Formats: sequence, C-alpha cells, structure tokens
Amino acid sequence: EPEVTQTPSHQVTQMGQEVILRCVPISNHLYFYWYRQILGQKVEFLVSFYNNEISEKSEIFDDQFSVERPDGSNFTLKIRSTKLEDSAMYFCASSEILYGELFFGEGSRLTVL
Amino acid sequence: DQQVKQNSPSLSVQEGRISILNCDYTNSMFDYFLWYKKYPAEGPTFLISISSIKDKNEDGRFTVFLNKSAKHLSLHIVPSQPGDSAVYFCAASAGYGGSQGNLIFGKGTKLSVKP
Repeated sequence: EPEVTQTPSHQVTQMGQEVILRCVPISNHLYFYWYRQILGQKVEFLVSFYNNEISEKSEIFDDQFSVERPDGSNFTLKIRSTKLEDSAMYFCASSEILYGELFFGEGSRLTVL
Repeated sequence: DQQVKQNSPSLSVQEGRISILNCDYTNSMFDYFLWYKKYPAEGPTFLISISSIKDKNEDGRFTVFLNKSAKHLSLHIVPSQPGDSAVYFCAASAGYGGSQGNLIFGKGTKLSVKP
C-alpha cells in the first residue's frame, strides 16, 4: 500500500539552527500538507501546497518557515532559525484530490535545545 | 480558540461493546468532518468522513453521526475490539468555498478497549 514517508524520524538541534524536514508524498497525489503536534496538544495545520505554490498557511507558518518541492518526489519543510517552541512532531500529508482523504506520514520529531 | 472540541480525553470500553466518541464544533462554516485514528509513533490514519449534507455515514463497524443544529458529531464503533485502542481525532474543514485541506483537529480522545 502506498504511503507517505518522512525523514528524519527524530532530529535534535540547537536553537537558532536551520532544520529541513523531508517528505515523500504518495506518487499520484497532487496536494501536500504539513501539520505539527506539540506534545500533549492537538494536531495543527501549518501549510498546504499545490501546483508548486502555497495554497494556504496558518498563522504559525511565519517567515521562519518555508516549503519546497525541489524535485518530482520530495516535499520539504525548512525552519530557518529554530526556537524552543518549534519542538514538536511534524507530520507531512498528501491527498489525491482537493478535500480528499489525507494520508499522513509517521512524523518527524523535532527537539530544539 | 477551540473550534473543534473533544471534551473527553479518554474513554474505556469493554471488548464487544459500543464505543461512542463525541466531538463538538463552533464554526458554522465547517461542512466536512473526518475522524482520524492515531497509534503511538505513527501519523494519523483516516477512518471515516461525513459531509454536511448527510447526517450519517457508515463503514463496517464505524458509523459517524452528524447533528448540524447541535454542531455535534459522534463516532460509533460496534463492536469494539482491542485493536481499536488508539487516540481518535475529530477534524473539520470549511472545504467547499473555504480552505483547501486546512483541517482543524480536536485534541483527541484516547480509546482503550479492554479484552
């Protein structure tokens, strides 16, 4: 069964460092998303991406965040200068159609020290 | 600002019985609702959805009920099985004419099904 894969599964970084989280969405999916879940809190929407551009972003997704689809398969989330409060589990998701079922990856746990 | 509320953080049910997970929402623009299941160390997995034009959707042991006037939906699992033990997230979207996949999640309810 096709699945969304994410790397790394866990990353520890120092505050102020740049982090890139990588995702390989399901191959025939056209819509891509990043969500995050801070420990003990709810899953929060960060950004959606379609046709090589951001469709929508939340207020969490400020200038420190960026997304990119550098090639035909990867979808990346970059945090330019990490803060302590960026520590969370970051989930990538993709869907085949608009409003279609979202398939989530297993998540990348980011720990900012 | 909790637009999607799951007021029960946990629920314990005996195997074979019905599990009922509840979800309330405040935004009347929501028109598409989903339930996701999440096991530890895994991403959320889609379970079942319902659009606002319906009041019930059934898929095997899982049924979702929507009461738009009360802004309430529930997930029924019958019969419950130990493998159903997971955290269940309710999510909503103002999809049609609204955001594109911007799902608003509740905080989740941890279901434990005991043998």
